[in-house]
Formats: sequence, structure tokens, C-alpha cells
Amino acid sequence: GESVGLHLPTLSVQEGDNSIINCAYSNSASDYFIWYKQESGKGPQFIIDIRSNMDKRQGQRVTVLLNKTVKHLSLQIAATQPGDSAVYFCAENRAGYSTLTFGKGTMLLVSP
Amino acid sequence: DVKVTQSSRYLVKRTGEKVFLECVQDMDHENMFWYRQDPGLGLRLIYFSYDVKMKEKGDIPEGYSVSREKKERFSLILESASTNQTSMYLCASRKRTRGSNQPQHFGDGTRLSIL
Repeated sequence: GESVGLHLPTLSVQEGDNSIINCAYSNSASDYFIWYKQESGKGPQFIIDIRSNMDKRQGQRVTVLLNKTVKHLSLQIAATQPGDSAVYFCAENRAGYSTLTFGKGTMLLVSP
Repeated sequence: DVKVTQSSRYLVKRTGEKVFLECVQDMDHENMFWYRQDPGLGLRLIYFSYDVKMKEKGDIPEGYSVSREKKERFSLILESASTNQTSMYLCASRKRTRGSNQPQHFGDGTRLSIL
């Protein structure tokens, strides 16, 4: 069947580069945001999250930045590796709701 | 680590059949979700469940139903399968907390083909 990666914007980087994946969210009432990574043939995997009372959060090799003024979220991956090749989704949670709204995703391709 | 297990990775069924997709989570999560994922359309919510015996329609419930008889298990049912239900189906679960959000955790999906 078709891969989830078809029809998606693609970011191509070299191994060792830093990658930045962007996401614009829609609802100013959203107060919680998540980044997921989806490898071919697998389900989305949680990477990092951030609440709206923060503007930056760091994990292992990843940083999420939140700009509430322009409703923009970004995921920075340091020293990108071939194993980072995947589709990356952002998701937003509107305050008081249990459901998430997902972005369409960005495909990250890392060449050695 | 949270483990969400979907019973089948690949499934092929015929038009008109009743199809059951099963999902089990091992972390005592209250909330469970069913999505379908299609190229160009992203993840779309079919149904979700706040807790045992509770269910809510998502964005695209038509042609589907769900069952949540036990906390760990959430089943998606295609009452009479049609070719436009060929898709990747993803199950997720989430711990319900007060005053603090938690991420949803996903299974690896069931790729369902309806012939």
C-alpha cells in the first residue's frame, strides 16, 4: 500500500547536520503540544511534549520551541542521524479536551 | 514503557464482511482512541473512549462502531466493510490526569485491505 510519507513536505539533510521541522497550529485555546515520530511500517512514537506555559523544552538531542504569538511550534534535532529518517507530526490539545488535532507531517530524510 | 498492542499487522477482508480490530494496552490507561491514517489526509479520529463502557464519536464515525467492555481492550468494528475503508488503523491510549496533560501512546497499526 501507499506509504504515509507520500504527499508530505520533505526535509533532506546530511548526517551530522541540525534539523528543524516546523508546524503551525490552528487553535489559540490549545495548551499542550506533542511531537511524534513515525517510521515506515510503525505507529507514531512520542518524542517530546510542551505545555503552553513554556516556550522551550529540551530532551535528548531534541528541542521543542513554542511561539504562542504566531501559533508556531518547531522541533530541532541536533546532529541528525540516518536513524532519524521518518515522518514527524505535531499535535495540539485544546484545553479541557481529551482529543488531539494532528498536523499532516513532514518527512525527514537523512543521507549518510 | 507503555505497550499498545494491535492484534493484526495486516488484514484482508471482503466487501460486506463484519470486521473486528482489537487493541490492548497494559498501562491501566482510561482513555483509548481509534484513528485511521491515509496518505494526504493524516490521522483522523474515528471513535474514542474515556473509560470502560464509554464511547464518543470522533470526526469520521460513519460505518464504524466500538466496544470497551474491559479497561485494557478497545475494539473497532466495521459493520459491513467497504472498499473505502481500506486504510491503516491506529489505536492509542492515554492516562487521564487532572490539571496536567499526557501524550497518547500508539500501537503499530493494522493495515486493512477490503477487496
